[in-house]
Amino acid sequence: AQSVTQLGSHVSVSEGALVLLRCNYSSSVPPYLFWYVQYPNQGLQLLLKYTTGATLVKGINGFEAEFKKSETSFHLTKPSAHMSDAAEYFCAVISNFGNEKLTFGTGTRLTIIP
Amino acid sequence: GAGVSQSPSNKVTEKGKDVELRCDPISGHTALYWYRQRLGQGLEFLIYFQGNSAPDKSGLPSDRFSAERTGESVSTLTIQRTQQEDSAVYLCASSPRRGNTEAFFGQGTRLTVV
Repeated sequence: AQSVTQLGSHVSVSEGALVLLRCNYSSSVPPYLFWYVQYPNQGLQLLLKYTTGATLVKGINGFEAEFKKSETSFHLTKPSAHMSDAAEYFCAVISNFGNEKLTFGTGTRLTIIP
Repeated sequence: GAGVSQSPSNKVTEKGKDVELRCDPISGHTALYWYRQRLGQGLEFLIYFQGNSAPDKSGLPSDRFSAERTGESVSTLTIQRTQQEDSAVYLCASSPRRGNTEAFFGQGTRLTVV
């Protein structure tokens, strides 16, 4: 079985400050990990993903995430928040065998303070 | 089409009526997911189709919910005897192959049960 835990359903940061959104996963086999973003009144789109290889993954809009196997984490970061980053962020996992179902966390709503 | 298409985009129905929601995945995508997103909440997994394998129905909340998919094409989510708690956005996603590939989401169907 696999699962994803996102700590903090709401996170607020000041414009220009570091963004850190936490994601921990549980998987009995090496996982594939994803971050999706949902802007207000829009569908979900992929920010970045980790499959194999380099553990630091860079995505769109200046976001990046690091896969840390020892901590079972895949936290999302951005050095400097922008007002346009305000959105809902979802971490997701697929185990690389079995039924390979995409499982989402409960999401973190990011608010940017001017 | 270029993306995942869902119809209708909005549906208002009376309590007790049946509704059908349609999803046209991206051509060639073997995996198809249905999720439910209640207002201000995360993604709730409903059902997962992968090729010709038996679907994973573990997320369907009650026997009022069912879904079908013909081969690797269109899927229909049916909700019988709708209740007010069924009001939500129903999201469909498809993925091109097993494992490490991200899912592509449709814009969703907003269902309102009055």
